[in-house]
Amino acid sequence: GENVEQHPSTLSVQEGDSAVIKCTYSDSASNYFPWYKQELGKGPQLIIDIRSNVGEKKDQRIAVTLNKTAKHFSLHITETQPEDSAVYFCAAEPTNTGNQFYFGTGTSLTVIP
Amino acid sequence: GAVVSQHPSRVICKSGTSVKIECRSLDFQATTMFWYRQFPKQSLMLMATSNEGSKATYEQGVEKDKFLINHASLTLSTLTVTSAHPEDSSFYICSARDWRGSQEQYFGPGTRLTVT
Repeated sequence: GENVEQHPSTLSVQEGDSAVIKCTYSDSASNYFPWYKQELGKGPQLIIDIRSNVGEKKDQRIAVTLNKTAKHFSLHITETQPEDSAVYFCAAEPTNTGNQFYFGTGTSLTVIP
Repeated sequence: GAVVSQHPSRVICKSGTSVKIECRSLDFQATTMFWYRQFPKQSLMLMATSNEGSKATYEQGVEKDKFLINHASLTLSTLTVTSAHPEDSSFYICSARDWRGSQEQYFGPGTRLTVT
C-alpha cells in the first residue's frame, strides 16, 4: 500500500521567512495530493492541493510543487505570519484504493514573531 | 462552501456507556464519509469508510461491533462508540467527500471523547 513520509516533524521560522515542508510517497498510482492545516483542538483544513497532471500550484502565499518522477511533493509558505503556526499534514490518494487518503506524520510549524 | 459539522464537540461519559457522534455535510451531499481517530501529536488514523446506504468498511484492527457507523443519508453519518472504555478516549474526526466526484475531503471540527 501507499506510504507517505513527511519532513521535518518540527519547524521554527522567523516571521516573514519562508517555510518548506516535504513529503514523499511510494505508490505511483497516487494522483491527488492535498495539504491540510490543523490548529490545536480543531479539525484539519484543506489549504491547497495538486493533481498529478500539474507540477506546481500557487494560492497567494502558499504553493505546492510535485515531482512525479521522484515521488515527492512540497508545501511552500512565503512571508510567514504567526497565524501560520499549526500542524501541517500532507496526504496522497492512490487511484485504486477506494478514495482513501494516506497521511504523512505531520509537521508542527512555529512562526516566531 | 464545503462545511462539515460534528456534534458534540466534546463529550464525557462513564465506562460502559455508549456515545453517538454525528457528522453532517452542511452545504453539499456526501456519498462517502470517513471516520478518523487522532491521538495527541499524532497523525490521523483512518477507522472506517462509510458509503451512503451501505455497510461501512472498517480498517484492520478496528472493531466494527464497538465502533458502529451508520450513513443513512447523503448528509449524515454517525459513529457510535459502544461500551466505552477509558482507552477509547480520543479525538474523533469525520470527513466527507462531495458526491459530484471531486477528490477533496472536507473535515469536521472533531469530537473530543473522554471516558471516565
